[in-house]
Amino acid sequence: EPEVTQTPSHQVTQMGQEVILRCVPISNHLYFYWYRQILGQKVEFLVSFYNNEISEKSEIFDDQFSVERPDGSNFTLKIRSTKLEDSAMYFCASRTGPREEQFFGPGTRLTVL
Amino acid sequence: QKEVEQDPGPLSVPEGAIVSLNCTYSNSAFQYFMWYRQYSRKGPELLMYTYSSGNKEDGRFTAQVDKSSKYISLFIRDSQPSDSATYLCAMSRMYSGGGADGLTFGKGTHLIIQP
Repeated sequence: EPEVTQTPSHQVTQMGQEVILRCVPISNHLYFYWYRQILGQKVEFLVSFYNNEISEKSEIFDDQFSVERPDGSNFTLKIRSTKLEDSAMYFCASRTGPREEQFFGPGTRLTVL
Repeated sequence: QKEVEQDPGPLSVPEGAIVSLNCTYSNSAFQYFMWYRQYSRKGPELLMYTYSSGNKEDGRFTAQVDKSSKYISLFIRDSQPSDSATYLCAMSRMYSGGGADGLTFGKGTHLIIQP
């Protein structure tokens, strides 16, 4: 069964460094998302991406964040200058159409020291 | 008032019991409702997806939506120890044009099924 994959599973970085989290959505999906979950808290929406542009973003998704679909398979989230409070699980999700289910990847655990 | 309220638990029940999990919401624009299961440090796994009031059944799981009361439920019959996990409700608004709405999640209910 096709699934969303994410790499790396765990990323440790120093405060102020740039990180890129990678996702490979399910191949026939057209809508892509990033969410984050701080330990012990709820899953929070960051950004949605469709037709090579951002569709919607939350207030969390500030200028330090960017997303890109560099080729036909990858979808990336970049954090330019990481802060301690960026430590969280980051989940990628995808769906075929706007009314279809979202399928989540296993997540990348980001630790900022 | 939070958009989506969900009792975090923990909820502990004996094996074989019927489990009832619930969420309330305040935003009447929410039209699509999902239940996800999440194991510790893993990604959410979709269990149920519905967009109309009423019941939807899939195996041991039944999702119930009452839009007039802004209340959704997930029932698990014949609960098993392997059902022990955190259950997340999630919802989204109607879509317009090509827009793709992000999900708003509840905090999740930690469920423990005792053998």
